[in-house]
Amino acid sequence: DVKVTQSSRYLVKRTGEKVFLECVQDMDHENMFWYRQDPGLGLRLIYFSYDVKMKEKGDIPEGYSVSREKKERFSLILESASTNQTSMYLCASSPPFTGDYEQYFGPGTRLTVT
Amino acid sequence: GEDVEQSLFLSVREGDSSVINCTYTDSSSTYLYWYKQEPGAGLQLLTYIFSNMDMKQDQRLTVLLNKKDKHLSLRIADTQTGDSAIYFCAESPLLTGGGNKLTFGTGTQLKVEL
Repeated sequence: DVKVTQSSRYLVKRTGEKVFLECVQDMDHENMFWYRQDPGLGLRLIYFSYDVKMKEKGDIPEGYSVSREKKERFSLILESASTNQTSMYLCASSPPFTGDYEQYFGPGTRLTVT
Repeated sequence: GEDVEQSLFLSVREGDSSVINCTYTDSSSTYLYWYKQEPGAGLQLLTYIFSNMDMKQDQRLTVLLNKKDKHLSLRIADTQTGDSAIYFCAESPLLTGGGNKLTFGTGTQLKVEL
């Protein structure tokens, strides 16, 4: 079974702090994604990566950056956390196209910025 | 850009059928998906349909696709309390230039009452 793990389930940070959210997948997937989930807005794509050291902006990249130094690990970085970044953050991974585009999700990190 | 819309809430009685609806705007969508998110968990793929199909049935789940109206629905027969969750519709465009991006809807919170 594909397993996607995220470093924390709950995180509380102060405004202005630098925040790292880590995601690791164990299925050698090329593609990895970071989403944020907010009530009434669904999932919005922040960044994704289709290879080591490759990254592309999603729909809402402002205030975030990412790092992918190893294939299995994709990090989301909040350079200077703000209260409007309080949200649920979901990481996902997927293999190259194999007949469908299923993404496998981690359990999420609920981040609160005070 | 792509837009995927769903109603936010649905309440049904145990044993009844649930129908969750979704509309999308991207006519080039190749696959359309239904994901389920249980409380405190990430998303899990329930089922998907290729855009050249009208219907797909999988045990208690029936997916209907009206490509002309860009309307997708998920019917859950004999709804159980364990079906209470948030259901996300997602679509995958024809070509994304790498990374097989999905566009998710806002999610429908299904509540099953005894």
